[in-house]
Amino acid sequence: GNSVTQMEGPVTLSEEAFLTINCTYTATGYPSLFWYVQYPGEGLQLLLKATKADDKGSNKGFEATYRKETTSFHLEKGSVQVSDSAVYFCALRKGTGFQKLVFGTGTRLLVSP
Amino acid sequence: DARVTQTPRDKVTEMGQEVTMRCQPILGHNTVFWYRQTMMQGLELLAYFRNRAPLDDSGMPKDRFSAEMPDATLATLKIQPSEPRDSAVYFCASGLTAPGLAYQETQYFGPGTRLLVL
Repeated sequence: GNSVTQMEGPVTLSEEAFLTINCTYTATGYPSLFWYVQYPGEGLQLLLKATKADDKGSNKGFEATYRKETTSFHLEKGSVQVSDSAVYFCALRKGTGFQKLVFGTGTRLLVSP
Repeated sequence: DARVTQTPRDKVTEMGQEVTMRCQPILGHNTVFWYRQTMMQGLELLAYFRNRAPLDDSGMPKDRFSAEMPDATLATLKIQPSEPRDSAVYFCASGLTAPGLAYQETQYFGPGTRLLVL
């Protein structure tokens, strides 16, 4: 079946450090891939997405590239801020017309000043 | 700024009581999802609706959970009777699906209902 595997957290970084959160997936065909972010006490928000191989999604300084050959969609940011502290979820959606997302377990990011 | 709204935001109840959670999707959205989030299980899809019709509720315990959309502006998730293991945060999300919009489909999440069953 379809699944998403994320690195365990928490990831603890100092402000302005480089961030990588690993995400790999298992799916047949060509799923769409997403990163969602959940700030404390809030619902999930779409951060970025990619719908086909080699696509790069980007938003708010975050980037992720859809790598079909390694079945990965790692999230990166060159310089994190304290305000980036949140839980990050990788997700995939198989097919179109149905929006059923399969989520990873989430990775908590803690950024200290 | 259109948002998904959920009520109540917090609910504390005793085992055996009925719990009803409500969700108002973004106006014009035709797809509604219910998720449950716990520390142990993460984020689980319970059910989802398209044009008010249930498409998939396989993630929902049928004996005690029910989900409905009385109209296009209201989705409800009911637990009867509630049990301590139902304690979780329940999220509603909405989106728009239409021919030609396949790659623009995005789910918009509400703030969640935090449920504690004692």
